[in-house]
Amino acid sequence: ETGVTQTPRHLVMGMTNKKSLKCEQHLGHNAMYWYKQSAKKPLELMFVYNFKEQTENNSVPSRFSPECPNSSHLFLHLHTLQPEDSALYLCASSPSYGDTGELFFGEGSRLTVL
Amino acid sequence: KQEVTQIPAALSVPEGENLVLNCSFTDSAIYNLQWFRQDPGKGLTSLLLIQSSQREQTSGRLNASLDKSSGRSTLYIAASQPGDSATYLCAVGNGGATNKLIFGTGTLLAVQP
Repeated sequence: ETGVTQTPRHLVMGMTNKKSLKCEQHLGHNAMYWYKQSAKKPLELMFVYNFKEQTENNSVPSRFSPECPNSSHLFLHLHTLQPEDSALYLCASSPSYGDTGELFFGEGSRLTVL
Repeated sequence: KQEVTQIPAALSVPEGENLVLNCSFTDSAIYNLQWFRQDPGKGLTSLLLIQSSQREQTSGRLNASLDKSSGRSTLYIAASQPGDSATYLCAVGNGGATNKLIFGTGTLLAVQP
Protein backbone atom coordinates (compact mmCIF):
# COMPACT_ATOMS: atom_id res chain seq x y z
CA GLU A 1 0.00 0.00 0.00
CA THR A 2 1.20 3.47 -0.81
CA GLY A 3 1.61 5.93 2.05
CA VAL A 4 -1.22 8.30 1.11
CA THR A 5 -4.13 7.02 -0.98
CA GLN A 6 -6.76 9.22 -2.61
CA THR A 7 -10.05 8.16 -4.19
CA PRO A 8 -11.48 8.71 -6.68
CA ARG A 9 -8.60 9.60 -8.98
CA HIS A 10 -10.95 11.31 -11.43
CA LEU A 11 -14.34 12.89 -10.82
CA VAL A 12 -16.72 14.73 -13.13
CA MET A 13 -19.68 16.46 -11.54
CA GLY A 14 -22.36 18.94 -12.37
CA MET A 15 -22.77 22.16 -10.47
CA THR A 16 -25.74 20.80 -8.50
CA ASN A 17 -24.17 17.47 -7.52
CA LYS A 18 -22.84 16.43 -4.13
CA LYS A 19 -19.73 14.28 -4.05
CA SER A 20 -16.85 13.50 -1.69
CA LEU A 21 -13.13 13.00 -2.03
CA LYS A 22 -11.43 10.55 0.29
CA CYS A 23 -7.88 10.40 1.59
CA GLU A 24 -6.30 7.69 3.72
CA GLN A 25 -2.77 7.61 5.07
CA HIS A 26 -0.90 4.55 6.34
CA LEU A 27 2.12 6.39 7.73
CA GLY A 28 0.98 6.85 11.32
CA HIS A 29 0.94 10.63 10.87
CA ASN A 30 -1.20 12.98 12.89
CA ALA A 31 -1.55 15.92 10.49
CA MET A 32 -3.46 15.82 7.21
CA TYR A 33 -3.89 18.50 4.58
CA TRP A 34 -5.98 19.37 1.52
CA TYR A 35 -4.27 21.34 -1.25
CA LYS A 36 -5.73 22.65 -4.52
CA GLN A 37 -3.59 22.74 -7.65
CA SER A 38 -4.91 24.79 -10.56
CA ALA A 39 -3.15 25.21 -13.89
CA LYS A 40 -0.26 27.67 -13.81
CA LYS A 41 -0.79 28.49 -10.12
CA PRO A 42 1.16 27.47 -7.03
CA LEU A 43 -0.39 24.86 -4.77
CA GLU A 44 -2.91 26.44 -2.43
CA LEU A 45 -3.37 25.13 1.08
CA MET A 46 -7.07 24.66 1.84
CA PHE A 47 -7.42 22.89 5.18
CA VAL A 48 -5.23 21.36 7.86
CA TYR A 49 -6.20 18.86 10.52
CA ASN A 50 -3.91 18.02 13.41
CA PHE A 51 -4.91 15.14 15.70
CA LYS A 52 -8.39 15.26 14.08
CA GLU A 53 -8.86 18.93 14.93
CA GLN A 54 -9.09 21.54 12.18
CA THR A 55 -6.22 23.95 12.70
CA GLU A 56 -6.35 25.88 9.43
CA ASN A 57 -9.04 26.99 7.02
CA ASN A 58 -7.45 29.11 4.35
CA SER A 59 -10.55 31.18 3.53
CA VAL A 60 -12.06 28.33 1.55
CA PRO A 61 -15.65 28.77 0.28
CA SER A 62 -18.27 26.85 2.26
CA ARG A 63 -19.10 24.70 -0.78
CA PHE A 64 -16.00 22.75 0.29
CA SER A 65 -16.56 20.96 3.60
CA PRO A 66 -13.76 18.89 5.17
CA GLU A 67 -14.19 16.04 7.61
CA CYS A 68 -11.54 14.20 9.61
CA PRO A 69 -13.06 11.30 11.59
CA ASN A 70 -9.65 10.03 12.74
CA SER A 71 -5.96 10.72 12.15
CA SER A 72 -5.83 8.30 9.20
CA HIS A 73 -8.79 9.52 7.15
CA LEU A 74 -9.68 12.85 5.61
CA PHE A 75 -12.65 13.72 3.42
CA LEU A 76 -13.54 16.72 1.31
CA HIS A 77 -17.28 17.03 0.74
CA LEU A 78 -18.25 18.97 -2.36
CA HIS A 79 -21.58 20.61 -3.18
CA THR A 80 -22.84 23.26 -5.62
CA LEU A 81 -19.36 23.73 -7.06
CA GLN A 82 -18.43 26.18 -9.79
CA PRO A 83 -16.50 25.44 -13.02
CA GLU A 84 -13.53 27.37 -11.62
CA ASP A 85 -13.29 24.74 -8.88
CA SER A 86 -12.02 22.29 -11.49
CA ALA A 87 -8.51 21.37 -10.37
CA LEU A 88 -6.29 18.64 -8.97
CA TYR A 89 -7.02 18.19 -5.26
CA LEU A 90 -4.09 16.81 -3.33
CA CYS A 91 -4.09 15.27 0.11
CA ALA A 92 -0.93 15.23 2.20
CA SER A 93 0.18 14.13 5.65
CA SER A 94 3.05 14.81 8.04
CA PRO A 95 3.96 13.53 11.50
CA SER A 96 2.31 16.54 13.14
CA TYR A 97 1.44 20.10 12.19
CA GLY A 98 4.04 22.72 12.94
CA ASP A 99 6.95 20.31 12.80
CA THR A 100 9.71 20.68 10.26
CA GLY A 101 9.45 17.25 8.74
CA GLU A 102 8.57 16.16 5.27
CA LEU A 103 5.16 16.40 3.71
CA PHE A 104 3.91 13.25 1.96
CA PHE A 105 1.38 13.59 -0.85
CA GLY A 106 -1.20 11.34 -2.42
CA GLU A 107 -1.70 10.96 -6.17
CA GLY A 108 -4.49 13.51 -6.25
CA SER A 109 -8.12 13.60 -7.36
CA ARG A 110 -8.71 15.34 -10.68
CA LEU A 111 -12.03 17.19 -10.42
CA THR A 112 -13.92 18.55 -13.40
CA VAL A 113 -17.03 20.65 -12.76
CA LEU A 114 -19.35 21.01 -15.73
CA LYS B 1 4.29 37.92 2.62
CA GLN B 2 6.54 35.07 1.47
CA GLU B 3 6.74 34.57 -2.29
CA VAL B 4 8.52 31.70 -4.01
CA THR B 5 9.72 31.95 -7.59
CA GLN B 6 11.13 29.26 -9.83
CA ILE B 7 13.00 30.13 -12.99
CA PRO B 8 12.96 28.95 -15.70
CA ALA B 9 9.36 27.79 -16.01
CA ALA B 10 10.48 25.14 -18.50
CA LEU B 11 13.80 23.58 -19.43
CA SER B 12 14.83 21.06 -22.09
CA VAL B 13 18.22 19.36 -22.01
CA PRO B 14 19.86 16.41 -23.77
CA GLU B 15 20.35 13.20 -21.85
CA GLY B 16 23.52 13.05 -19.79
CA GLU B 17 23.76 16.76 -19.12
CA ASN B 18 24.16 18.13 -15.61
CA LEU B 19 21.60 20.79 -14.80
CA VAL B 20 20.55 23.25 -12.11
CA LEU B 21 17.03 24.31 -11.17
CA ASN B 22 16.57 27.54 -9.25
CA CYS B 23 14.24 28.57 -6.46
CA SER B 24 14.17 32.00 -4.84
CA PHE B 25 12.17 33.29 -1.90
CA THR B 26 11.56 36.80 -0.61
CA ASP B 27 11.64 36.27 3.17
CA SER B 28 14.86 34.68 4.42
CA ALA B 29 13.33 33.76 7.81
CA ILE B 30 12.47 30.20 6.84
CA TYR B 31 12.42 26.96 8.80
CA ASN B 32 13.04 24.59 5.94
CA LEU B 33 12.83 24.13 2.18
CA GLN B 34 11.57 21.05 0.38
CA TRP B 35 12.01 19.99 -3.25
CA PHE B 36 9.31 17.86 -4.87
CA ARG B 37 8.87 16.08 -8.16
CA GLN B 38 5.50 15.87 -9.90
CA ASP B 39 4.80 13.64 -12.87
CA PRO B 40 1.90 14.65 -15.19
CA GLY B 41 -1.47 14.18 -13.50
CA LYS B 42 0.14 12.73 -10.40
CA GLY B 43 0.83 13.77 -6.85
CA LEU B 44 4.05 15.19 -5.44
CA THR B 45 7.00 13.06 -4.42
CA SER B 46 9.36 14.53 -1.85
CA LEU B 47 12.96 14.58 -3.09
CA LEU B 48 14.96 16.49 -0.51
CA LEU B 49 14.26 18.42 2.67
CA ILE B 50 16.75 21.01 3.88
CA GLN B 51 16.41 22.44 7.38
CA SER B 52 17.28 26.11 7.85
CA SER B 53 20.49 25.17 9.70
CA GLN B 54 21.73 23.08 6.78
CA ARG B 55 23.52 24.19 3.62
CA GLU B 56 22.81 21.19 1.42
CA GLN B 57 21.32 17.74 1.14
CA THR B 58 22.17 14.94 -1.26
CA SER B 59 20.28 11.92 -2.51
CA GLY B 60 21.79 9.89 -5.33
CA ARG B 61 22.20 12.14 -8.39
CA LEU B 62 20.38 15.01 -6.67
CA ASN B 63 21.95 17.74 -4.59
CA ALA B 64 20.01 20.63 -3.11
CA SER B 65 21.67 23.69 -1.64
CA LEU B 66 20.25 26.45 0.52
CA ASP B 67 21.50 30.01 0.95
CA LYS B 68 19.07 31.68 3.36
CA SER B 69 20.77 35.06 3.34
CA SER B 70 20.36 35.45 -0.40
CA GLY B 71 16.96 33.76 -0.48
CA ARG B 72 18.00 31.04 -2.90
CA SER B 73 18.01 27.30 -3.29
CA THR B 74 19.26 25.20 -6.18
CA LEU B 75 18.54 21.63 -7.17
CA TYR B 76 21.45 20.06 -9.04
CA ILE B 77 20.73 16.96 -11.12
CA ALA B 78 23.78 15.07 -12.33
CA ALA B 79 23.89 12.99 -15.51
CA SER B 80 20.24 13.63 -16.39
CA GLN B 81 18.08 10.80 -17.76
CA PRO B 82 14.79 10.81 -19.70
CA GLY B 83 13.15 9.41 -16.54
CA ASP B 84 13.99 12.68 -14.78
CA SER B 85 11.45 14.47 -16.99
CA ALA B 86 8.83 15.96 -14.67
CA THR B 87 7.85 19.20 -12.96
CA TYR B 88 10.07 20.14 -10.03
CA LEU B 89 8.54 22.22 -7.25
CA CYS B 90 10.17 23.90 -4.32
CA ALA B 91 8.30 24.81 -1.15
CA VAL B 92 9.40 26.99 1.74
CA GLY B 93 8.33 26.38 5.33
CA ASN B 94 8.04 29.77 6.96
CA GLY B 95 8.05 28.57 10.52
CA GLY B 96 5.93 29.66 13.43
CA ALA B 97 3.37 27.40 15.06
CA THR B 98 2.14 26.06 11.76
CA ASN B 99 5.17 25.98 9.42
CA LYS B 100 2.89 26.49 6.44
CA LEU B 101 4.50 25.56 3.12
CA ILE B 102 4.58 28.17 0.36
CA PHE B 103 5.03 26.64 -3.07
CA GLY B 104 6.60 27.92 -6.26
CA THR B 105 4.94 27.30 -9.62
CA GLY B 106 7.57 24.77 -10.64
CA THR B 107 10.03 24.10 -13.45
CA LEU B 108 8.95 21.66 -16.16
CA LEU B 109 12.00 19.62 -17.11
CA ALA B 110 12.27 17.59 -20.32
CA VAL B 111 15.33 15.39 -20.79
CA GLN B 112 15.69 14.41 -24.44
CA PRO B 113 17.05 10.92 -25.22
